[in-house]
Amino acid sequence: DIVLTQSPGTLSLSPGERATLSCRASQRVSITHLAWYQQKPGQAPRLLIYGASNRATGIPDRFSGSGSGTDFTLTISRLEPEDFAVYYCQQYDSSPYSFGQGTKLEIK
Amino acid sequence: QVQLQQWGAGLLKPSETLSLTCAVYGGFLSGYYWSWIRQPPGKGPEWIGEISHSGNTNYNPSLKSRVTISLDTSNNQLSLNLSSVTAADTAVYYCARGGIVVVPSANWFDSWGQGTLVTVSS
Repeated sequence: DIVLTQSPGTLSLSPGERATLSCRASQRVSITHLAWYQQKPGQAPRLLIYGASNRATGIPDRFSGSGSGTDFTLTISRLEPEDFAVYYCQQYDSSPYSFGQGTKLEIK
Repeated sequence: QVQLQQWGAGLLKPSETLSLTCAVYGGFLSGYYWSWIRQPPGKGPEWIGEISHSGNTNYNPSLKSRVTISLDTSNNQLSLNLSSVTAADTAVYYCARGGIVVVPSANWFDSWGQGTLVTVSS
C-alpha cells in the first residue's frame, strides 16, 4: 500500500502570504494520480487539484499543484482568510487509494 | 451539479452492523465509480471501497472481510454495510463520486455527501 506523509503538520501564516504544503509518497506515484483536498470544520473534503496540477471546477488560480515521483506540492500563492483549513493529499495510482494525515493551515 | 445525501444510524453497539445509504441527485450512477470513505476524529480520510454502476466492487483489504457496498439503480442510491463493528470503526462516513469508468485511473473524488458520524459504544 502507498503511504502518504504530509508536512508540516501545522503551518502558521498570515493572509497575503504564500503557503507551500508537501506530500511525500512511500513509493513512486504517477504524476497524473495525485489529488489535493481542502477541509473545513464540520464539512466534507472539497476537491482542489487532480492529476497533480489540474484545478477542479471553480477553484481559484491562487491554488496550484506540482511535483512528480514521490514528492508533490500544493502552493497557495496569496492566502485569503477562507483558505485557512486542513489540506489532504490523495493518491489514486493504486488500490487501496490512500490519503495523507493532513496539514493544518492556521492564521498566524 | 450532482449532490449526494446520506443517512443511517449514528450510534451502534459493538458487534452490530453499520448500515448507511446515499442518494444521488442531479446525476446518474452510470459511468462512475461510487465510493465510501471514512474519517476517524482528528485523522485523515480512509477509503473503504467502491462500486461501479454495473456492480463491480473494489474494497480496501483492511476492511474487505466486513464490507459490502451495493447499488439500487432504480432509486439512484448506494449503500454501505460494515459488520461486527468495534470502537475502532467510530468515524464520520462519507459517500463520494469517484472515477470515471471509461477513464482508467481517474479515481479522485469530486462530489461528497455531507457525512454521517457513526459512534460505536457499549
